[in-house]
Formats: sequence, C-alpha cells, structure tokens
Amino acid sequence: GEDVEQSLFLSVREGDSSVINCTYTDSSSTYLYWYKQEPGAGLQLLTYIFSNMDMKQDQRLTVLLNKKDKHLSLRIADTQTGDSAIYFCAEGVLNRDDKIIFGKGTRLHILP
Amino acid sequence: DTEVTQTPKHLVMGMTNKKSLKCEQHMGHRAMYWYKQKAKKPPELMFVYSYEKLSINESVPSRFSPECPNSSLLNLHLHALQPEDSALYLCASSQGLNRGTEAFFGQGTRLTVV
Repeated sequence: GEDVEQSLFLSVREGDSSVINCTYTDSSSTYLYWYKQEPGAGLQLLTYIFSNMDMKQDQRLTVLLNKKDKHLSLRIADTQTGDSAIYFCAEGVLNRDDKIIFGKGTRLHILP
Repeated sequence: DTEVTQTPKHLVMGMTNKKSLKCEQHMGHRAMYWYKQKAKKPPELMFVYSYEKLSINESVPSRFSPECPNSSLLNLHLHALQPEDSALYLCASSQGLNRGTEAFFGQGTRLTVV
C-alpha cells in the first residue's frame, strides 16, 4: 500500500536545528521529496532524494534516508522565522503512472 | 524557467456557473497534475496527464473535467460545483517519474463556491 506518515507539529527555537521526520510504506518508492507551504501559497520544492542515496545536503537543509526502516528526515540548520511553514513529505513511485503521495504535513512553529 | 503558472489566483463562482482553471508550464515537462487541497490538509491527487493523455483519474466527480490541449497547458473545467468543492486547486508538472525528477507546483487557484 501507499502511505506517508509525519508528525503534525514541531516547535523549535530560533537558531536551533529543526528535524522533521517522515515514514513511508512503499518499498518501491523511488523519489522522496520535501515541500514547503507557507500560508495561502502553493507548494515549494525544497529538496528531494533518490532512494539509492543515504544523504543529501543543500545549504541549511540535510535530508537523511534510512531505506531499511523507510524513514526520511529533513534537518534545517539555524532555523529562522522565515522557516515557519508546513512541510510535506512526499513519495514518488516508479511504475505508478507518475503518482506522488503526500504526508499530512508537519507545521513548524518558530519560538523567539 | 522552473515556473508553473496558474490562473486565476482567486475565483468565486455560483453553483450554476461554468468556469475554467488554467495551468501553464514551459519546462518541457510531459506529466501534469491537478491536486485539490482543503485547509490544513495535504494535497489530494485528482488527475494526472502523461504525454497529453489522461493516465490517472482518482474517482473525481464529473463536475470536474480536465483537458490537456497541448504539452504546455492543462485546464480544469468546472460545472455545477458544490460549496464543499471550495479549496485550493494546485497544478504541478514534472518530466515524469519514469524520467526521474521532481515535480514543480504552481501557486494555486483559491476557489470559493457560493
């Protein structure tokens, strides 16, 4: 089956690191994505990782993939107030007609 | 250019109206998607077009009618909608998962049905 799970809320102090976790069920997942959505806006692709990779780093963002446990995480270093948003984990599965499955989203709240 | 453009940004329509949502991309992407997003919920897939052919219809009611006139354009025709259809409608495009790349989203059309 296809399912993507995320915790719904995360509060982090400004300047600390945020870690948002995600689990997925489909072992044939090929691409795993992190999208950011600010209030009233569309989805902004932050980063993605191919399933044969363990880690990807892009400036303040680090994605870790544990394929054995089907666990994906997004770490945001030096969290800023502008990082306040909902973060969606999503999986794309080859041979599924270009389907992308989204988690419910994690709302990141930044404490001063 | 990594932009997906959706028009209009906001739309208010009555239950007897007919309207259309438009989506455009010039990235040469061959897969285009319509998603519906209710407040505080993740996007829900409605339709996928792959190489201008409808490849997925997620049991969407017939009052929503997609159209892909060419590889750059995707429309969503709306007719006889209900108030519960009020939502943010998101368009996305990608090269296609079999080509292996990410999906880019438009900013959405916020639809209110009165």
